[in-house]
Amino acid sequence: GQNIDQPTEMTATEGAIVQINCTYQTSGFNGLFWYQQHAGEAPTFLSYNVLDGLEEKGRFSSFLSRSKGYSYLLLKELQMKDSASYLCAVRDGNYQLIWGAGTKLIIKP
Amino acid sequence: SAVISQKPSRDICQRGTSLTIQCQVDSQVTMMFWYRQQPGQSLTLIATANQGSEATYESGFVIDKFPISRPNLTFSTLTVSNMSPEDSSIYLCSVGVGEVYEQYFGPGTRLTVT
Repeated sequence: GQNIDQPTEMTATEGAIVQINCTYQTSGFNGLFWYQQHAGEAPTFLSYNVLDGLEEKGRFSSFLSRSKGYSYLLLKELQMKDSASYLCAVRDGNYQLIWGAGTKLIIKP
Repeated sequence: SAVISQKPSRDICQRGTSLTIQCQVDSQVTMMFWYRQQPGQSLTLIATANQGSEATYESGFVIDKFPISRPNLTFSTLTVSNMSPEDSSIYLCSVGVGEVYEQYFGPGTRLTVT
């Protein structure tokens, strides 16, 4: 079957750096997405990786290793507003989106 | 990007009744997606709605329970029929747009069934 694993919850300190990992096993691969979801709100698109390597977008970066079935989202200079759930989603060989359960990130002052 | 609105934003319904959720997009899109999200859990795809054809339902979801309409390229409805407390959830519509066909979501409809 297809599977995406993410840690359930992480805690980090304001101003620090945090890395949220995502491992996946899917039938085919056509890209990996990261979404941010604040409590009570809809998910919003953060990043997309389809080739190996690092994609940087401001304070957020996303890395992909297709051979390892692995990605991470790196958040720098953490702010209190970064407290949210972060969802990893993989587009499989049939272009279906497979969603991870999400990682709840708690930022402490 | 795409701007999506949903109505209603929330509702409390009695067991056995039905609720229709509306989703409006600010641009024409081929496919619209309906998701369900239980509190603290990830997204579960209910169905994909294409304009002019029957919706495609995921395993565990059937048309009699979740009928979908897609009358044009900017609008869709999802009906939750004969509701039970197990249907209490957040229902989200989304569309795929952009260079990488990333998904944009509506604000969601929070449904409580009593």
